[in-house]
Amino acid sequence: GAGVSQSPSNKVTEKGKDVELRCDPISGHTALYWYRQSLGQGLEFLIYFQGNSAPDKSGLPSDRFSAERTGGSVSTLTIQRTQQEDSAVYLCASSLVVLAGSGTDTQYFGPGTRLTVL
Amino acid sequence: KQEVTQIPAALSVPEGENLVLNCSFTDSAIYNLQWFRQDPGKGLTSLLLIQSSQREQTSGRLNASLDKSSGRSTLYIAASQPGDSATYLCAVRRINTDKLIFGTGTRLQVFP
Repeated sequence: GAGVSQSPSNKVTEKGKDVELRCDPISGHTALYWYRQSLGQGLEFLIYFQGNSAPDKSGLPSDRFSAERTGGSVSTLTIQRTQQEDSAVYLCASSLVVLAGSGTDTQYFGPGTRLTVL
Repeated sequence: KQEVTQIPAALSVPEGENLVLNCSFTDSAIYNLQWFRQDPGKGLTSLLLIQSSQREQTSGRLNASLDKSSGRSTLYIAASQPGDSATYLCAVRRINTDKLIFGTGTRLQVFP
C-alpha cells in the first residue's frame, strides 16, 4: 500500500488477556516507531527499530510490553496481561532514513489501533 | 529532559482568518521539528518538517518558522477554512535520539 497500515483498527479485550497489534510500514522504509496516545495525554514514544540495529526500547512502560520487527518490515507490538491503563490509541510510524543524523527524515503515521481494556 | 508546549490548547475562529499556532521546547539541541495534523480516526498527517539549520518551511497556505535558540516554532495558517479543523501537533527530534517528543496539541475549529 501507499501508506502505513495498522490492524486491527479497534480492539476490545478483557483485563489480563494478551493482545497483538500489527503495523505494516511503507515499503522500503528502514525505520519503524511505535507511539501511544492516552486520553488526555500527548503522544508518547514506545519503541524504535532502525535496520538491523538493536531497537530503542526506552519508552516501553513495563515488561508487559514487547515488540518485534520481522524481516525488516512488519512489526508486532504485544501487550501481555493487559491492564485498564493500557487503554489508548497505539500509533505506528515509519521513515526513510537516508542519512543518519541529517534531520531530513519525515515520519509517516498509520491510522492507529484503538485498544480498550475492560 | 525535553518538554514541548503548545499554546493555545484550543482555538475557534471564523472562516477566512489568518492564525498562528505556537510551539515551544526546552532543549535547543534538536535535529528537526515537525508539524502534524490529527483528524479523528485517521492518525497523524505530516504537514511540514524544518531541519535545525532552517528558519522556515512553506506549503500552500501553511508556513512554519523555527527559532532554535529561543526554543520556539510557529505554524501560520493563512485564510483558514473549515477543512482546517483538526488538532495540530508539533514534535521535536533531539540530537542523538531517534524518537519524537510531542506537544499536547492545539485543537482548532474553523467555523463557516
